[in-house]
This record gives sequence, C-alpha cells and structure tokens, in this order.
Amino acid sequence: DIQMTQSPSSLSASVGDRVTITCRASQDINNYLAWYQQKQGKAPKSLIYAASSLQSGVPSKFSGSGSGTDFTLTISSLQPEDFATYYCQQYSSHPLTFGGGTKVEIK
Amino acid sequence: EVQLVESGGGLVQPGGSLRLSCAASGFTFSRHAMHWVRQAPGKGLEYVSVISSSDGSTYYGNSVKGRFTISRDNFKNMLYLQMGSLRADDMGVYYCAREALGSAIDYWGQGTLVTVSS
Repeated sequence: DIQMTQSPSSLSASVGDRVTITCRASQDINNYLAWYQQKQGKAPKSLIYAASSLQSGVPSKFSGSGSGTDFTLTISSLQPEDFATYYCQQYSSHPLTFGGGTKVEIK
Repeated sequence: EVQLVESGGGLVQPGGSLRLSCAASGFTFSRHAMHWVRQAPGKGLEYVSVISSSDGSTYYGNSVKGRFTISRDNFKNMLYLQMGSLRADDMGVYYCAREALGSAIDYWGQGTLVTVSS
C-alpha cells in the first residue's frame, strides 16, 4: 500500500498568513493526488484534484503543486473560514490512502 | 444539484452486521464510481471501499477486506455497504462519496454514524 505522510500535523496561523501543507507519498503517484478540507463536525469538502486543479467553486486562494512523491497545498491568505483540517489522498492505486491530516488553527 | 444521503447507521453489538445505504440524486449515478470513507471519533479519514461504474469492480481497505461488501443498484440510484463481524474499531462516521469521471472524489454525503458496543 502507498503511505501518505502529511506535515505538519498541526499549525497555528493568523488571518492573512500564507500557509503551506506538505504531503509525501511512499512511491511515485504521478499527479494522482487530491486535497480535502474538513471543518469540525462536518463532512469533507473536495478542494483539489490531479495535484493542482481546483474543484468547481473552490476559491483561487487555494493552490496545489507537485508530482511524483512530493506535493503541497497552499492557502495564499488565510481567512477565518479556512480554519479546518486538511487531508491529502492518493488515487494512483488501490487501496486509495489518505494522509493523517493537518489541523490549521487560529494563532 | 448532486446529493448523497446516507442511512442505516446505528448501534450494533460486536460481531454483528449492519447495512448502510446511500441515496444518490442530481447526476447520472450509473456513470460514476462510488466510494465509502469512514472516520473514527477524533481520528482522520480512512478509506473503506470503492465500486466502479462500469463492470462493478470493487476494492477494499485492508482493515475491512473479507468483512465488508460494497454494492450498487443503478436502477434505484443506490449505493450500499454490507458490514459484518463488526468490531469496536469499525465505529465512526461513514461517508458515501462520488468519484468524478476518472478522477478523485468530488462530492461527499453528510455521513451516518455507526456505533459498535455491547
């Protein structure tokens, strides 16, 4: 199975900060990488697919990059509604696997 | 509007069985692969299973293989998860999710809670 490792597991940031989350795959997954946002007590929301393509309706402050084994999710200017937990997921091969999550908290 | 509504969760004893359902609407259900993803209390997302749109191929996470069965009814626009030999570590919220055509998950349901306890 492909292991997905996210870092950091949590971070504290202020409104307006630029935030970057990293996801590393245990083997080459090309660009078959998605990012999801989950707010407390809510279902996940899809943000990015194919490593860098925004899902419909997702604001452009979110961006993704990377290919192969190393990927990043960047939030250009953190807003109050962005405080949540973010997960990466590889869909290169079964079983599909998620990273452990990164909780973004208010500083 | 894409809608995914899960049902069937509840309290079940260890070793018991439960069937979850997911009612899909707002899209051509038969064209999309469908997933189940779960989340234990206070933990991260865990992949459970997927069923393809075309030939009904299925895949399972290692922790549920041999105990859970995913299925679908394209006439009723329904997705199912038959869960057996349930254990305490199967407890959590189970989400139904749609896969975009040949891509990643794009829509999620609100989830249904499964509690395994005697």
